[in-house]
Amino acid sequence: NAGVTQTPKFQVLKTGQSMTLQCAQDMNHEYMSWYRQDPGMGLRLIHYSVGAGITDQGEVPNGYNVSRSTTEDFPLRLLSAAPSQTSVYFCASSYTPGTSGQETQYFGPGTRLLVL
Amino acid sequence: AQTVTQSQPEMSVQEAETVTLSCTYDTSESDYYLFWYKQPPSRQMILVIRQEAYKQQNATENRFSVNFQKAAKSFSLKISDSQLGDAAMYFCAYTELYNQGGKLIFGQGTELSVKP
Repeated sequence: NAGVTQTPKFQVLKTGQSMTLQCAQDMNHEYMSWYRQDPGMGLRLIHYSVGAGITDQGEVPNGYNVSRSTTEDFPLRLLSAAPSQTSVYFCASSYTPGTSGQETQYFGPGTRLLVL
Repeated sequence: AQTVTQSQPEMSVQEAETVTLSCTYDTSESDYYLFWYKQPPSRQMILVIRQEAYKQQNATENRFSVNFQKAAKSFSLKISDSQLGDAAMYFCAYTELYNQGGKLIFGQGTELSVKP
């Protein structure tokens, strides 16, 4: 198992550009989520999904879009990048309730994004 | 809303000594999970230990143990026989027992340095 994978590892954008951060998992997890990490603030939830076709907003959703067409993939889209979106982005996945270990999130290696 | 607070931005420990990282949280739920994640310079989020709130016994994983005080809403991490490889950022995190989407709420993090 590759676990949770993210691409790219590092990206530089100019203000106003758009891009998609990719996330995939091969553990057949129903739940997937995106977090951003900023200095001194821990990780904050952007968007999450409880299954294919179902997504919802987290704590800091503005400026980001998501979709979940398959169980494996959960891309995060920045429509018009802003310097405030400079951050490290983590994708995570977990099992659904009722499954042993469902409460444990598995994280990808992160994507570092710099918006100039 | 649930919150997680880590009041120690930085901690330092001598190699082979013991250190305790503090975490407090606020929730009105009676059933939930608490976690400690380690983030080394590679940025990978690594699960260190988890605690189910309905279990009175404190969780232990090798040199890592927790002091879970449910009434006080306190969840500290004790690292015994500290090693140079323990140097990292440590995050305390909370999730509800049957949460939708595997949503985690993180503290701000504690940077642990280990002196040889």
